[in-house]
Amino acid sequence: QSVLTQPPSASGTPGQRVTISCSGSNSNIGSNTVNWYQQLPGTAPKVLIYRNNQRPSGVPDRFSGSKSGTSASLAISGLQSEDEADYHCAAWEDSLNAWVFGGGTKVTVL
Amino acid sequence: QVQLVESGGGVVQPGRSLRLSCAASGFTFSSFGMHWVRQAPGKGLEWVAVIWYDGSKQYYADSVKGRFIISRDNSKNTLYLQMNSLRGEDTAVYFCARDIWDKYCSDISCAHFDYWGQGNLVTVSS
Repeated sequence: QSVLTQPPSASGTPGQRVTISCSGSNSNIGSNTVNWYQQLPGTAPKVLIYRNNQRPSGVPDRFSGSKSGTSASLAISGLQSEDEADYHCAAWEDSLNAWVFGGGTKVTVL
Repeated sequence: QVQLVESGGGVVQPGRSLRLSCAASGFTFSSFGMHWVRQAPGKGLEWVAVIWYDGSKQYYADSVKGRFIISRDNSKNTLYLQMNSLRGEDTAVYFCARDIWDKYCSDISCAHFDYWGQGNLVTVSS
């Protein structure tokens, strides 16, 4: 059971917008920033969004992040086939002095 | 370029020990905190442990506290994970990852993992 809650799957057709939620509590998302990692099949994770809404250089602006209260969201606009991957949210948990992850969301491009 | 290469994984019996290594190159290893993150087959990511850039502080996930030890040798640019009393539920791919605190971030709670190794499989089975 993950501390952060994500839907196990999401899907869309090419060009559509897909949104993934990440729900936590006051001691993690509510008081700290959220990062999102993309994991393509068979590869290591890669940072996609950090500090709630910042994109590292090289990440397309189709990817955007937001946070409100104890929840965060990742949006993918203009969905492309290469976006098929697992997406993981993460935040620092103050009560545990630990990083906590969501269970991951598998995005399928139909 | 930044590279993190894990080694030391394999098949081990329950109750035995194993040590993972993560060789770093392409950056000043002694300036960055380092983490271990694992992923059980078909499951999500689980953070395991962190060690501060100078080795002064370590934190662990409750699931491994008292059994795993994270350490580093800055003279060898290498991160370690000593895993003792291994259990079946420790079976996973283990990734090492670097954390970064930029100019807008003053502590670990706003950091993120900017580089990851390729992962190393540990299988605990009799």
